[in-house]
Amino acid sequence: AQSVTQPDIHITVSEGASLELRCNYSYGATPYLFWYVQSPGQGLQLLLKYFSGDTLVQGIKGFEAEFKRSQSSFNLRKPSVHWSDAAEYFCAVGAGGTSYGKLTFGQGTILTVHP
Amino acid sequence: EAEVAQSPRYKITEKSQAVAFWCDPISGHATLYWYRQILGQGPELLVQFQDESVVDDSQLPKDRFSAERLKGVDSTLKIQPAELGDSAMYLCASRATGTSEAFFGQGTRLTVV
Repeated sequence: AQSVTQPDIHITVSEGASLELRCNYSYGATPYLFWYVQSPGQGLQLLLKYFSGDTLVQGIKGFEAEFKRSQSSFNLRKPSVHWSDAAEYFCAVGAGGTSYGKLTFGQGTILTVHP
Repeated sequence: EAEVAQSPRYKITEKSQAVAFWCDPISGHATLYWYRQILGQGPELLVQFQDESVVDDSQLPKDRFSAERLKGVDSTLKIQPAELGDSAMYLCASRATGTSEAFFGQGTRLTVV
């Protein structure tokens, strides 16, 4: 069975500092990996996705993520955090084809940004 | 900008009552998903539709939950009777055929008292 672990429940950073959110997955085949962001009381917005090819993927809002098969990781990074980045971030794994939207999510990481 | 519409945004219901949520996907999106997100956890898939057909409802508690998408467009998720443990955010998402991104609605926050 597939699973996703986000080891950090809550991370606090200062505005302008760099950010890395960790994600480890377990999946029997080639994983399709996603990062979503959720503002309080809102739905999920896709930040970026990895299917194949270049292991460093760029997303919206200045985010990037690196796929490391040997470590079963897909960590999200941003070089300089803005106050508006405060939200909850979810890593997810899924299959391809007709199963693209059938995702297994991690429990999420809440990001707090201090001015 | 096209978006997935859900209503109501918030719902408070008493234990043992029936409750229903509605979702209108992005126009033309054949695949529709209902997810449940318990506070402090990530979303969990309840049911997937392809047009009007259920593709996967293996995680749907069928003794009390039902979902339909009669004309292959909008969808309704029903709970009867509601239990305290059903308190959660219910998210609807849709995806166009041949694409990889599912778009999520803003969700319905259910509180069972």
